[in-house]
Amino acid sequence: GIQVEQSPPDLILQEGANSTLRCNFSDSVNNLQWFHQNPWGQLINLFYIPSGTKQNGRLSATTVATERYSLLYISSSQTTDSGVYFCAVEGSSNTGKLIFGQGTTLQVKP
Amino acid sequence: NAGVTQTPKFRILKIGQSMTLQCTQDMNHNYMYWYRQDPGMGLKLIYYSVGAGITDKGEVPNGYNVSRSTTEDFPLRLELAAPSQTSVYFCASTLPQGANSPLHFGNGTRLTVT
Repeated sequence: GIQVEQSPPDLILQEGANSTLRCNFSDSVNNLQWFHQNPWGQLINLFYIPSGTKQNGRLSATTVATERYSLLYISSSQTTDSGVYFCAVEGSSNTGKLIFGQGTTLQVKP
Repeated sequence: NAGVTQTPKFRILKIGQSMTLQCTQDMNHNYMYWYRQDPGMGLKLIYYSVGAGITDKGEVPNGYNVSRSTTEDFPLRLELAAPSQTSVYFCASTLPQGANSPLHFGNGTRLTVT
């Protein structure tokens, strides 16, 4: 099956700094999503982005499907951005079954 | 519109006991999923359903059963609880692939088996 690798595994930032999280996947995908798991354990969908670029406030994401990677950019980080960021992909099954990476744990210090 | 609702939030089971984790969604989503998340890890798919009456195994189905009698509900059954099933369980739902629909998660059920 598809392998999903996220980097870095851990990241510590000062408030106001920018960061880039990376997601590599081993096969072509028709579905890629980014999620944020907050410190209370809730999983929030950030982007549905199988290809192209999207922006939502301070967050943006780019997926280059032909090169099998996606990037999540966080600008002007805030303490509320802390938590775990997951990338998840689906291959060709068309059942919405997402395979999750191990996540990047982000800590933003005030 | 409550989204995806899971009950209970917490549960402690003894080895060998059984229980059902409840999941319901009010978004008229055809596709529903059960994932488990072990400490410090990503999510693993247990079972999924693409519509009422249709279920299929995910990556880690052993020790679990599901049913899907309605579009709204997708309960997960543990028949003989084992310590290896200690985890946080998440239910999720979405529309079919062509709708470009994101996956929506419930708030999770934290299960401890002792």
